[in-house]
Amino acid sequence: GENVEQHPSTLSVQEGDSAVIKCTYSDSASNYFPWYKQELGKGPQLIIDIRSNVGEKKDQRIAVTLNKTAKHFSLHITETQPEDSAVYFCAASIRSNDYKLSFGAGTTVTVRA
Amino acid sequence: DTEVTQTPKHLVMGMTNKKSLKCEQHMGHRAMYWYKQKAKKPPELMFVYSYEKLSINESVPSRFSPECPNSSLLNLHLHALQPEDSALYLCASSHIAGDAYNEQFFGPGTRLTVL
Repeated sequence: GENVEQHPSTLSVQEGDSAVIKCTYSDSASNYFPWYKQELGKGPQLIIDIRSNVGEKKDQRIAVTLNKTAKHFSLHITETQPEDSAVYFCAASIRSNDYKLSFGAGTTVTVRA
Repeated sequence: DTEVTQTPKHLVMGMTNKKSLKCEQHMGHRAMYWYKQKAKKPPELMFVYSYEKLSINESVPSRFSPECPNSSLLNLHLHALQPEDSALYLCASSHIAGDAYNEQFFGPGTRLTVL
């Protein structure tokens, strides 16, 4: 099955700086890569996703890049704010009848004011 | 309506109790999911319903019994749980995976404590 590795496990950044989280996947058939943000006491929230026919996608301060050849994808958060503090999970999925999302282990991001 | 709702928010139960978790969505999604999440870990898939039929059971113990009464509702019936079953139980929904990318939307979860 698909194996997704996520690094780093914890990340502390100064407010206003950028944060980068990296994930690698094992199954070359994976073609959908969502990122979830989970705040304390809440469920995971889909914040951005990318499909295998796209190399980069941006949404305001958040961007995701995908390198299919190297089988890795990254989340970039610019101008970090205290409300960006949360646990971030990457995931990979195959567009098929398989409903499974394979999650990374998560990255705890702390934005220092 | 673009959210998944879950009730109750918190639940404390003894090992001999029977309780149910409820999930509802009105996004027209025909796939619904139950996940279990332990602290500082990613969600673990338990069950998937597709068109109100159970399509995936990830070898979950029979003390967890899912039910999908209609396309908007998903229940998880709990009986004779163990303390190690204490966790955050998350419901999610999506369009059918074969028709679209697997964009899953999660509810806020039910925090379950088994005494």
